[in-house]
Amino acid sequence: ETGVTQTPRHLVMGMTNKKSLKCEQHLGHNAMYWYKQSAKKPLELMFVYNFKEQTENNSVPSRFSPECPNSSHLFLHLHTLQPEDSALYLCASSQEVGTGGPFEQYFGPGTRLTVT
Amino acid sequence: SQQGEEDPQALSIQEGENATMNCSYKTSINNLQWYRQNSGRGLVHLILIRSNEREKHSGRLRVTLDTSKKSSSLLITASRAADTASYFCATDPQIYGNNRLAFGKGNQVVVIP
Repeated sequence: ETGVTQTPRHLVMGMTNKKSLKCEQHLGHNAMYWYKQSAKKPLELMFVYNFKEQTENNSVPSRFSPECPNSSHLFLHLHTLQPEDSALYLCASSQEVGTGGPFEQYFGPGTRLTVT
Repeated sequence: SQQGEEDPQALSIQEGENATMNCSYKTSINNLQWYRQNSGRGLVHLILIRSNEREKHSGRLRVTLDTSKKSSSLLITASRAADTASYFCATDPQIYGNNRLAFGKGNQVVVIP
């Protein structure tokens, strides 16, 4: 266990559904990340939060909406997804973003999302 | 965006043999990190090497970094079946600031018992 949990582990949703992915870290970190992992493609950084503030939105479509209520929790709200959004969504945390590093990232087990 | 590129993409070896993977990148970096991913699960951090370091060891892992060639290698010695996984290099580019990692596509390593 890495100290980062994600729920659900598997999710199947239709294109008109609304669902949310949840991530929780128990490491006392201040930075949290969402990544998308598709087959045969590099890991894609989606969003970065540092001390609850969003510091990076990597040109992610608005059908993905992140929320970070505190440094331990991160959500990814999903609506009106497309089949090409099917992928493994990984959450990660690290000590922080910015000076004082470098810091390794700790990943959760991921949510396998299938959009039908 | 900068990405690490691992080579070879897939490697199959016998248990006990050494496995070597290479990673190249394009721009100046603060550090380079290697991660392992077991099938369908999250990534696990293995080792971090700073831009001013040339070699680092951790257990059976040995990482080298050549900033002049913009390349790194990961060596796993005396491989075990449990080492079967995908291995990713990730660079921390200087232009982005700390911890905005750029990952490669990964190396699939299969260790045959």
